[in-house]
Amino acid sequence: GNSVTQMEGPVTLSEEAFLTINCTYTATGYPSLFWYVQYPGEGLQLLLKATKADDKGSNKGFEATYRKETTSFHLEKGSVQVSDSAVYFCAPRSGSEKLVFGKGTKLTVNP
Amino acid sequence: EADIYQTPRYLVIGTGKKITLECSQTMGHDKMYWYQQDPGMELHLIHYSYGVNSTEKGDLSSESTVSRIRTEHFPLTLESARPSHTSQYLCASSAPSGGSAGGELFFGEGSRLTVL
Repeated sequence: GNSVTQMEGPVTLSEEAFLTINCTYTATGYPSLFWYVQYPGEGLQLLLKATKADDKGSNKGFEATYRKETTSFHLEKGSVQVSDSAVYFCAPRSGSEKLVFGKGTKLTVNP
Repeated sequence: EADIYQTPRYLVIGTGKKITLECSQTMGHDKMYWYQQDPGMELHLIHYSYGVNSTEKGDLSSESTVSRIRTEHFPLTLESARPSHTSQYLCASSAPSGGSAGGELFFGEGSRLTVL
């Protein structure tokens, strides 16, 4: 089955700082890769995804590139805002297999 | 826009009570899931269903049970709640992997259960 190793938090940054959250995975076949975000008091929602090698997913200023050779899908944002404070989950999914989540990285952005 | 709903959002009950957490989706998804989220944020799959009359236990053992009598409805039941069941429960459904949504999961807002 699939597995994922995600950078542990918590991560605390000042507003406008650069953000990287590392994610590496092992998967059967050719997985799709997802980043989900959970804002305080809410369920998870899809942040971005990539379905094939070298694809770049992007949304709300966040980006992640599907790196098949290093089995990685690191999340980046050039300038974080207070509103980005949330928990971020990386997840690979192969075919009809169940989605496997990383342990989550809590991000706090201070003004 | 995802249409998946959980009720109640918050529930505080005493030990020994029976509770049912409701989950409904209007997207026609066959696959549905229940996750338990611990205070450290990690998500644990406790039940899933690939369609009507199909239910399976997930990776984390749970004393809860589920049923799937209708496509849109996937309730979770605890026959006798205990303090160890205190947690956040998240319901999700997924589009087919080959479709435009690419296997994405859609989550409800969660049910936070506290057992005293």
